[in-house]
Amino acid sequence: EAGVAQSPRYKIIEKRQSVAFWCNPISGHATLYWYQQILGQGPKLLIQFQNNGVVDDSQLPKDRFSAERLKGVDSTLKIQPAKLEDSAVYLCASSSRGGAHSGNTIYFGEGSWLTVV
Amino acid sequence: GESVGLHLPTLSVQEGDNSIINCAYSNSASDYFIWYKQESGKGPQFIIDIRSNMDKRQGQRVTVLLNKTVKHLSLQIAATQPGDSAVYFCAVSNDYKLSFGAGTTVTVRA
Repeated sequence: EAGVAQSPRYKIIEKRQSVAFWCNPISGHATLYWYQQILGQGPKLLIQFQNNGVVDDSQLPKDRFSAERLKGVDSTLKIQPAKLEDSAVYLCASSSRGGAHSGNTIYFGEGSWLTVV
Repeated sequence: GESVGLHLPTLSVQEGDNSIINCAYSNSASDYFIWYKQESGKGPQFIIDIRSNMDKRQGQRVTVLLNKTVKHLSLQIAATQPGDSAVYFCAVSNDYKLSFGAGTTVTVRA
């Protein structure tokens, strides 16, 4: 079974530029998550989709971050304009149903590493 | 909200010894707990989970212990191998939302 696919794996941009990350979840998984992981910290949830609807975006900096999952499958996370503090790994994850609970394992992709200079 | 903390940020263990990684959480309503392993340059990988109605669960070479009284869980790795070198995260679910600790870096000495 293919895992969560993400691209690009690495990106270096200057501050105030824009960047977009793409994610394709595990086939059949209804729930898709974007996490931000700053070096030395655990992942922090940015946004959670259930099919093509947003379930939780309470920690998404909406002035610069946006995400969509138009057809309920793959998703794009965009940052515009980027700041130095956005340097992090952006992890996409998916699960068959919504939310973290027993029997609904959340699987992570390998991440997209962003450096803002 | 939920606060998740690890007791030690790093752990060095001799190959073949057992490893114990500890984690504390703050919200007594948390009902589901997961341990993830993250190798360098990769995403977190599910290791083992436990529900709040259990106090122990075993997998292959790993055991998770949950003490709800003191809001503490631990991951035990038996016969630690070089491939176990990684950052280990505990994650705690409250109202279906997952909060991660900062991670413990485990280094296995040959």
